[in-house]
Amino acid sequence: ETGVTQTPRHLVMGMTNKKSLKCEQHLGHNAMYWYKQSAKKPLELMFVYNFKEQTENNSVPSRFSPECPNSSHLFLHLHTLQPEDSALYLCASSRQVSEQYFGPGTRLTVT
Amino acid sequence: AQTVTQSQPEMSVQEAETVTLSCTYDTSESDYYLFWYKQPPSRQMILVIRQEAYKQQNATENRFSVNFQKAAKSFSLKISDSQLGDAAMYFCAYREGNEKLTFGTGTRLTIIP
Repeated sequence: ETGVTQTPRHLVMGMTNKKSLKCEQHLGHNAMYWYKQSAKKPLELMFVYNFKEQTENNSVPSRFSPECPNSSHLFLHLHTLQPEDSALYLCASSRQVSEQYFGPGTRLTVT
Repeated sequence: AQTVTQSQPEMSVQEAETVTLSCTYDTSESDYYLFWYKQPPSRQMILVIRQEAYKQQNATENRFSVNFQKAAKSFSLKISDSQLGDAAMYFCAYREGNEKLTFGTGTRLTIIP
């Protein structure tokens, strides 16, 4: 256990559904991240939050909408996704100039 | 843009033997951080070891050590006395200051009993 939890662990959704992924960190970190992990590709950084402020949006389509209500919680709201969005979505947290700690991920399948 | 290259998609090693995973990176900076992460089949990514570029001494964590060659931009991971629990995907990553992590494509390590 790294101190970063993610729910749900698995999610199957249709292209017209709306769902949310949740991440929580219990480490007192002030930065949180969303990554997308697809087979045979490097991890793709999607969003970065520092002290609840979004500091990076890595050209992510608007069908992905992050929310960071406080330093411990991070959400990824999903709507009208495409099949190519199927992947493992990883959340991570860190103190600002420090290594990142990852959650177990949410395996998302879009049908 | 920084890039991280892991040229070995898969490696295997006999239990109790030593294996070295390769990583090279491209940067024009002199101050940065390098990491090796392990992702077992359960999928939780775990930090294995980190190296600050300004430190000449190679980092070591128990059976894991790195060979950091700054001039060659090489950062290999050596696993000694390999154990079954070492089986995982291993990712090399680079970070410059407060910037984002850049990951390689990973090396899948299999341990042969």
